[in-house]
Amino acid sequence: EVQLVQSGAEVKKPGESLKISCKGSGFRFTTYWIGWVRQMPGKGLEWMGIIYPSDSDTRYSPSFQGQVTISADKSITTAYLQWSSLKASDTALYYCVRHFTVTFVPYYFDSWGQGTLVTVSS
Amino acid sequence: EIVLTQSPGTLSLSPGERATLSCRASQSVSSTSLAWYQQKPGQAPRLLIYGASSRATGIPNRFSGSGSGTDFTLTISRLEPEDFAVYYCQQYGSSPYTFGQGTKLEIK
Repeated sequence: EVQLVQSGAEVKKPGESLKISCKGSGFRFTTYWIGWVRQMPGKGLEWMGIIYPSDSDTRYSPSFQGQVTISADKSITTAYLQWSSLKASDTALYYCVRHFTVTFVPYYFDSWGQGTLVTVSS
Repeated sequence: EIVLTQSPGTLSLSPGERATLSCRASQSVSSTSLAWYQQKPGQAPRLLIYGASSRATGIPNRFSGSGSGTDFTLTISRLEPEDFAVYYCQQYGSSPYTFGQGTKLEIK
């Protein structure tokens, strides 16, 4: 069974750093693009970026380029999303997703993590 | 960046009725690279439709997708109580892989 299990909820202060994780299992982690999606409170879905764990090729949405860093450790089949300096506007639910992938090309999201709630407040 | 506009924002219908949700793209979506997702309160979204018209595994056949180019439709033929949720379209033909703003399907 394909599973993406995310790390638990976080409460942070503005200016702090944070790294959340997403562990994949039940599939060959290095042959799928893994992405991150943001959902701000009461709002819609926003695609942030993706990584190909085999070679760590990473692509970002222009809206999130420079704001977050996506990484992966293929040895432990885990992807990460990190911030160096959080802002209150980073408060949101973050989902990791698996892209259906064919010959290195990412397509739709065929599996979702359970979400990690990040709250940034002073 | 391709902007997706969903309409209506909210759709109020009764169980047993037919629902038609629209998704319009600001430019042509390549190779019908359009998906639909359903999100219920407190849950992660789940894939319903990919390739504009292919149902994902386990999705009932009352859900169907159609369209190409810039205009796409999700149709639910006869609404069941569990279908009331928020629906998002998404294009994955060109990066960034954008979503529509969502249509809330509520019980009338």
